[in-house]
Amino acid sequence: EPEVTQTPSHQVTQMGQEVILRCVPISNHLYFYWYRQILGQKVEFLVSFYNNEISEKSEIFDDQFSVERPDGSNFTLKIRSTKLEDSAMYFCASSRIAGFTFFGQGTRLTVV
Amino acid sequence: KNEVEQSPQNLTAQEGEFITINCSYSVGISALHWLQQHPGGGIVSLFMLSSGKKKHGRLIATINIQEKHSSLHITASHPRDSAVYICAVRATNFGNEKLTFGTGTRLTIIP
Repeated sequence: EPEVTQTPSHQVTQMGQEVILRCVPISNHLYFYWYRQILGQKVEFLVSFYNNEISEKSEIFDDQFSVERPDGSNFTLKIRSTKLEDSAMYFCASSRIAGFTFFGQGTRLTVV
Repeated sequence: KNEVEQSPQNLTAQEGEFITINCSYSVGISALHWLQQHPGGGIVSLFMLSSGKKKHGRLIATINIQEKHSSLHITASHPRDSAVYICAVRATNFGNEKLTFGTGTRLTIIP
């Protein structure tokens, strides 16, 4: 069964450092997403990506964040100058148009 | 006000009981998803609905578009069903594929 894979599963970083979270979406999907879930809170939308560009982003997705599809398979989320409040579980997801959304297992980011 | 509301927030039941989790939403949608999140954090999509009813094993999901309400039912519940169940909606406007999530219902099934 196809799946979305994320690496690493857990990342610890010092405040102010840059982190890159990596994802391999399902190969024939067209939409890619990043969501995050702060501990104890609901899942929040960060950004969607379609046709090699951002199709929508939330208020959370400010200049600190960027996404990239550097090749035909990877989809990355970069967080520049991490803050304590960036600590969360980050989920990558992908879907076809109007289709099921498939989620990766998440990357738990801890900023210390 | 949250666009997606779930009830109850927490539910504890005995093994074998019939479980119902409710979801109400306030926006126009093209689809509603039910998702399962286990303690490790991973999210699994259970159902995607735009009308009517779907069944998969012991799980049944229904939606009433006019009332903006959906339910997830679990028959013959089992301790392995213990998880957080999340309702999420996709808005109606074309090209807006993002999901808006409810806060989840934490289900605990006691043997």
